Amino acid sequence: DAGVIQSPRHEVTEMGQEVTLRCKPISGHNSLFWYRQTMMRGLELLIYFNNNVPIDDSGMPEDRFSAKMPNASFSTLKIQPSEPRDSAVYFCASSFRVFGQGLISNQPQHFGDGTRLSIL
Amino acid sequence: GENVEQHPSTLSVQEGDSAVIKCTYSDSASNYFPWYKQELGKRPQLIIDIRSNVGEKKDQRIAVTLNKTAKHFSLHITETQPEDSAVYFCAAGGGSYIPTFGRGTSLIVHP
Repeated sequence: DAGVIQSPRHEVTEMGQEVTLRCKPISGHNSLFWYRQTMMRGLELLIYFNNNVPIDDSGMPEDRFSAKMPNASFSTLKIQPSEPRDSAVYFCASSFRVFGQGLISNQPQHFGDGTRLSIL
Repeated sequence: GENVEQHPSTLSVQEGDSAVIKCTYSDSASNYFPWYKQELGKRPQLIIDIRSNVGEKKDQRIAVTLNKTAKHFSLHITETQPEDSAVYFCAAGGGSYIPTFGRGTSLIVHP
């Protein structure tokens, strides 16, 4: 099992540039999450996909942020234009959700190694 | 929505001592409570989880307890070792399956 794969691991770019972060979830997982982690705000959920469909994007900071999941094995988080305050570690996580009633509907999330983003 | 409070924010113990981290949640519909450990510069990793039909779960030196009535759950680490030093996050999730994380506890174990 390769785990959740994120790229790049580090990104340094200038303010105003477009940034694209990539994520490959664990094969067979049907839920995908994008998080942002900073010292000030902790671990924030940005967006959540279920079966490739965005379910909740209320955590996306503003229109400069967008996320897509064109298929079950790939997702992107894009920031355009980037700003210094976007500097953070961005994590992707995936999980398998069991649908239906009952106490087994929640399963643990598996996190990728993260992308450390620095906007100068 | 769910609100998760985690305490303390920092915990310093001597090697061999026990450590306890506490979390409270607000949504009575929450039924899944995972704990994650994040070492410096690394990803959060699940260390233990508990579901609402169980009051306690143990795995070697770590245990989690859940009090649904009071809406709080705790992580207990016994015989702490320096490699237990990390940030620990609790989370609470329900039927909507959007887990809410606590702000984290930085555990420092002094040799």
